[in-house]
Amino acid sequence: DIQMTQSPSSLSASVGDRVTITCQASQDISNYLNWYQQKPGKAPKLLIYDASNLETGVPSRFSGSGSGTDFTFTISSLQPEDIATYYCQQYDNLPPRYTFGQGTKLEIK
Amino acid sequence: QVQLQESGPGLVKPSETLSLTCAVSGYSISSGYYWGWIRQPPGKGLEWIGSIYHSGSTYYNPSLKSRVTISVDTSKNQFSLKLSSVTAADTAVYYCARHDSSSCLLKYWGQGTLVTVSS
Repeated sequence: DIQMTQSPSSLSASVGDRVTITCQASQDISNYLNWYQQKPGKAPKLLIYDASNLETGVPSRFSGSGSGTDFTFTISSLQPEDIATYYCQQYDNLPPRYTFGQGTKLEIK
Repeated sequence: QVQLQESGPGLVKPSETLSLTCAVSGYSISSGYYWGWIRQPPGKGLEWIGSIYHSGSTYYNPSLKSRVTISVDTSKNQFSLKLSSVTAADTAVYYCARHDSSSCLLKYWGQGTLVTVSS
């Protein structure tokens, strides 16, 4: 099974800061990686798909990059409404199955 | 607008079977897509439980496969989860969601339902 290592587990940053979260796969997953935002008491929301594609309606300050085993999620200028936990999701599509990273809890400093 | 809504008991006794249903509105399950269950223990991360295709083909997380059954009822436009022999470790918020086949994009989610395993 493919293991995903997401870091850091928590992060404190100031409004306007650039924030970076990483996910590392235990083996090559090409670009089969998505990113989600989860606010307390809510279901996760899709932000980035296939490593670097911005979901429709998601602000452009969110971005993703990477391929193979190393992936990065970036918020270019942190806003107060970005306080949430972020998860990466690795997937296979034949057959469909997926694994989430451990999550990164983002807080305002 | 696609909407999903989980329902079922909020309290299940240890060793019994957890049963949840996800009612779908705004889209016909028989038209396509995969329909999945994901859970989240309190304060912890997300775990995929399994998915079902509209045709009835099922795919399960290997770590739960021996205890999980997912089924679909296209006449009621809903799908269901059964998890047998539950323990306290199965206490979690259970979400149902729709995903596609190519990128497993989870665009539509239910609000989640907390199931507690306790005697």
